[in-house]
Amino acid sequence: GESVGLHLPTLSVQEGDNSIINCAYSNSASDYFIWYKQESGKGPQFIIDIRSNMDKRQGQRVTVLLNKTVKHLSLQIAATQPGDSAVYFCAEGVTGANSKLTFGKGITLSVRP
Amino acid sequence: DTGVSQDPRHKITKRGQNVTFRCDPISEHNRLYWYRQTLGQGPEFLTYFQNEAQLEKSRLLSDRFSAERPKGSFSTLEIQRTEQGDSAMYLCALPRSSGSAGTGELFFGEGSRLTVL
Repeated sequence: GESVGLHLPTLSVQEGDNSIINCAYSNSASDYFIWYKQESGKGPQFIIDIRSNMDKRQGQRVTVLLNKTVKHLSLQIAATQPGDSAVYFCAEGVTGANSKLTFGKGITLSVRP
Repeated sequence: DTGVSQDPRHKITKRGQNVTFRCDPISEHNRLYWYRQTLGQGPEFLTYFQNEAQLEKSRLLSDRFSAERPKGSFSTLEIQRTEQGDSAMYLCALPRSSGSAGTGELFFGEGSRLTVL
């Protein structure tokens, strides 16, 4: 079946460094993608999204890159801070599919002081 | 504004018991979603409502699960004869377009964690 997956289960970075979290998706019909951050005991929190007609989108300290050719999505976090420590999920959706999202497995980002 | 309250935040029950979770949006939303999240996994779609109508149910939603949204506002998710495999976080979500790329973003509540002993 279709799936969204992440390459690495954990990522450890030094505070102040840039972080890159990768995600592979397989549903070629997906036309938007969303990154969520989830802290322990809390619900997923929206970070940034991107439509399939874009290949890059920037937010505050975050950038999402989309490569439709290889069905790859990445989240870049600049100047990683201790508060960025969390589990990150990528999710995909299809416009018109009633906002139903398919999530991949989470990757834990750990920021070393 | 988008916000959702879920209750209870944590429920511990013995196998075979029934449990009910409630989701209260703080403002009107036509659509309301339920997701389930097990440890280390991403949330999985269970069902969604358009007003009071339940429009889609995942195959994950066995006949022991029932969800309602009687007045098109709050929603309940009941699990009958709980099993240990039902242990998970049950998340309520609402659609939101927050000035982002205008995708089908969902705003998630804090969830109700179920532990079945």
